[in-house]
Amino acid sequence: AQSVTQLGSHVSVSEGALVLLRCNYSSSVPPYLFWYVQYPNQGLQLLLKYTSAATLVKGINGFEAEFKKSETSFHLTKPSAHMSDAAEYFCAVSLSSASKIIFGSGTRLSIRP
Amino acid sequence: SAVISQKPSRDICQRGTSLTIQCQVDSQVTMMFWYRQQPGQSLTLIATANQGSEATYESGFVIDKFPISRPNLTFSTLTVSNLSPEDSSIYLCSVVGQDVSYEQYFGPGTRLTVT
Repeated sequence: AQSVTQLGSHVSVSEGALVLLRCNYSSSVPPYLFWYVQYPNQGLQLLLKYTSAATLVKGINGFEAEFKKSETSFHLTKPSAHMSDAAEYFCAVSLSSASKIIFGSGTRLSIRP
Repeated sequence: SAVISQKPSRDICQRGTSLTIQCQVDSQVTMMFWYRQQPGQSLTLIATANQGSEATYESGFVIDKFPISRPNLTFSTLTVSNLSPEDSSIYLCSVVGQDVSYEQYFGPGTRLTVT
């Protein structure tokens, strides 16, 4: 079975500071990993995905994530937070890009002025 | 890419009634999924709906409560039956695009409130 664990239900950073959202996965086969963002009262948007190619994945809005097999991690980072980054972020895993996606519990990111 | 629309976008229903949610895709897709997002929670997969076969339900979800239809490659419905306040959630459909990226796209969701 596959699962993801997001460490920290709420993360607060200052504007301009580093954003680090943690995600650890469990999978019996090489996983496909995703980060989605959900802005208040809006739908889900794909930030980035890992599909067994480059371990450092760059996404939209300046976000990136690094796949570390030895640590079973797929943490999301952004060098400098912007007020517009305030949202709910979901880490997710699947067996392939075309199969069902299992979501983590989510991390709410708040940005302090 | 795939553009997904859902109807209704929101509804308020009385306990004991049912609500049918429609999901329309602008292109033919093989795989379609229905998710539930309870207030302040993550997304939980309800079922996988592939055209031409019975929907496959995840643990904790049953066909009597969440019947699904998938009459063609661009459309599906999810019915939430015998509503209770615990069914108040956002229900989302998603599809796997048929382009080379096989990216999964999500609809805007249907916000259901049960009174």
